[in-house]
Amino acid sequence: GAGVSQTPSNKVTEKGKYVELRCDPISGHTALYWYRQSLGQGPEFLIYFQGTGAADDSGLPNDRFFAVRPEGSVSTLKIQRTERGDSAMYLCASSSLFGNTQYFGPGTRLTVL
Amino acid sequence: DAKTTQPPSMDCAEGRAANLPCNHSTISGNEYVYWYRQIHSQGPQYIIHGLKNNETNEMASLIITEDRKSSTLILPHATLRDTAVYYCIVRAPFTSGGSNYKLTFGKGTLLTVNP
Repeated sequence: GAGVSQTPSNKVTEKGKYVELRCDPISGHTALYWYRQSLGQGPEFLIYFQGTGAADDSGLPNDRFFAVRPEGSVSTLKIQRTERGDSAMYLCASSSLFGNTQYFGPGTRLTVL
Repeated sequence: DAKTTQPPSMDCAEGRAANLPCNHSTISGNEYVYWYRQIHSQGPQYIIHGLKNNETNEMASLIITEDRKSSTLILPHATLRDTAVYYCIVRAPFTSGGSNYKLTFGKGTLLTVNP
């Protein structure tokens, strides 16, 4: 597609459940990033992929969070045993190999009840 | 990356120029100034970036002071659709090493364009 896409746009789940959030980057972009944004705050870095490998996952808050990008294109952010504090907007961005400009998707709004 | 300071909010009349300031007094010589905006409940949208020279594109103009310690994003004819949070970010080039692939967002400036 023309831009970064993310699905679903909204996800409501119950505490303790498992969720998967999908990101489809701009075609040809090798770098992919996940950010999380809480209400009233700017986005915060979670993880960065260059190709299939996670080059930096230092922003993941704990081991309930995991992300994959098996074929170097689509990425899935996985959250186990969701907690109410995980409620936030999850944003994905992509850039070219050494591109300085990151292009963001529309985000997935996650609500944990 | 250098820290940026932006006013929390600004107002602008529709059709007028919106001038959004950003202070980045600790910017390093190789750090770029980036601007993104985020319309309510959407993902951040890239606007423009620059190093030393002023830059202009179809969305906005970026004016960087000669000492590079501050910059101004100019929307020449603001419309109601320009109401958004505007983020100023400074970042070294991707290839300069370290973790400069990360974008570090502050709280930005909420620009409200009024009819």
